[in-house]
Amino acid sequence: DTAVSQTPKYLVTQMGNDKSIKCEQNLGHDTMYWYKQDSKKFLKIMFSYNNKELIINETVPNRFSPKSPDKAHLNLHINSLELGDSAVYFCASSHEGSGELFFGEGSRLTVL
Amino acid sequence: QKEVEQDPGPLSVPEGAIVSLNCTYSNSAFQYFMWYRQYSRKGPELLMYTYSSGNKEDGRFTAQVDKSSKYISLFIRDSQPSDSATYLCAMRTYQFYFGTGTSLTVIP
Repeated sequence: DTAVSQTPKYLVTQMGNDKSIKCEQNLGHDTMYWYKQDSKKFLKIMFSYNNKELIINETVPNRFSPKSPDKAHLNLHINSLELGDSAVYFCASSHEGSGELFFGEGSRLTVL
Repeated sequence: QKEVEQDPGPLSVPEGAIVSLNCTYSNSAFQYFMWYRQYSRKGPELLMYTYSSGNKEDGRFTAQVDKSSKYISLFIRDSQPSDSATYLCAMRTYQFYFGTGTSLTVIP
């Protein structure tokens, strides 16, 4: 059973389109995250939710909107996609205060 | 200054060598220290994490934390071609901070 699963794995889309990425974790964790990884492998935190409440919202354009319907799910919707949004987006989860962070396999977004 | 500094490499070693990967940090509030391995086109996988200064061993891997010097290391003994990956250090206060990753290639 996959612990943190995200879909789709690959998205190729045109500039200006809207897209969503879904994430689910079956680890019973209370905190979920979205990270963006650029071509140089740097992982940058975008959002963090604890028990469905937004607790970290880094400097991310308003075009990015996370939604957490319950503790096990955290989705990411992106409006009006731009070329610079091309990256790999990782969902992750942990227990609050724990040193263990578990990642999904990533969603590779390419904006043409 | 970045919160976490990591030499990006790339690092290339022969099979069987001992590999040393390092990170430095500036925030003395960091409590947890972690190492992740990331294979190409995969998600980061947690290798080891420690809470305090000292050493922690798991098979061929040893994680070392020196809080007084704000320095952490990961040692890989008897390196194998399957160890070829990017290694990311990470630390946390209320959120996680990652190094930029070191690309490692183990040559058979």
